Amino acid sequence: GAVVSQHPSRVICKSGTSVKIECRSLDFQATTMFWYRQFPKKSLMLMATSNEGSKATYEQGVEKDKFLINHASLTLSTLTVTSAHPEDSSFYICSATGTGVKNEQFFGPGTRLTVL
Amino acid sequence: AQSVTQLGSHVSVSEGALVLLRCNYSSSVPPYLFWYVQYPNQGLQLLLKYTSAATLVKGINGFEAEFKKSETSFHLTKPSAHMSDAAEYFCAVSFSGGYNKLIFGAGTRLAVHP
Repeated sequence: GAVVSQHPSRVICKSGTSVKIECRSLDFQATTMFWYRQFPKKSLMLMATSNEGSKATYEQGVEKDKFLINHASLTLSTLTVTSAHPEDSSFYICSATGTGVKNEQFFGPGTRLTVL
Repeated sequence: AQSVTQLGSHVSVSEGALVLLRCNYSSSVPPYLFWYVQYPNQGLQLLLKYTSAATLVKGINGFEAEFKKSETSFHLTKPSAHMSDAAEYFCAVSFSGGYNKLIFGAGTRLAVHP
């Protein structure tokens, strides 16, 4: 099956710093990638949708200047949490889809962000 | 508005017992429906999906789900629970006619005890 990786799996940072999370499709071309946020014991909340080479589309209530998404290639999307604060601590999950995988979404293993 | 409701945030069963996790959706258009499983600190794994073909869908690990349009339901079942089935289960729906933009239910945590 199609594989999506995320790096890092865990990151701890100080308040005010920026953190970049990478999402890679390893064996298919991801024309579209999604970024989700999951709070403890809660469901996944879609943050944004990114298409390769285009600006990301953010869901209502998600600050685009705080959560910068770049999808510069067909295998890589990055989420940068700028000026992170403790309330940004969460589990961030990406998923990817493409025509080569019948448009099914494949999920990465997630990144645990802790902001001190 | 489209939505997904999972009845029961926690379900506990004995090993070998029937597993039934409930999912209802609301939509004005035919939906695509999915069940995902999540183990602690991991991403989501697709169990099965309904895409307007057969209403009874068989997935991995012995799970299956039946799409009932009249009841707007897509409940997940497994005849005999295994200890390894303990996890969080999410029902999701896509209304775009494809697999994009999933809307997730709140999730059901399944506990399996000996």
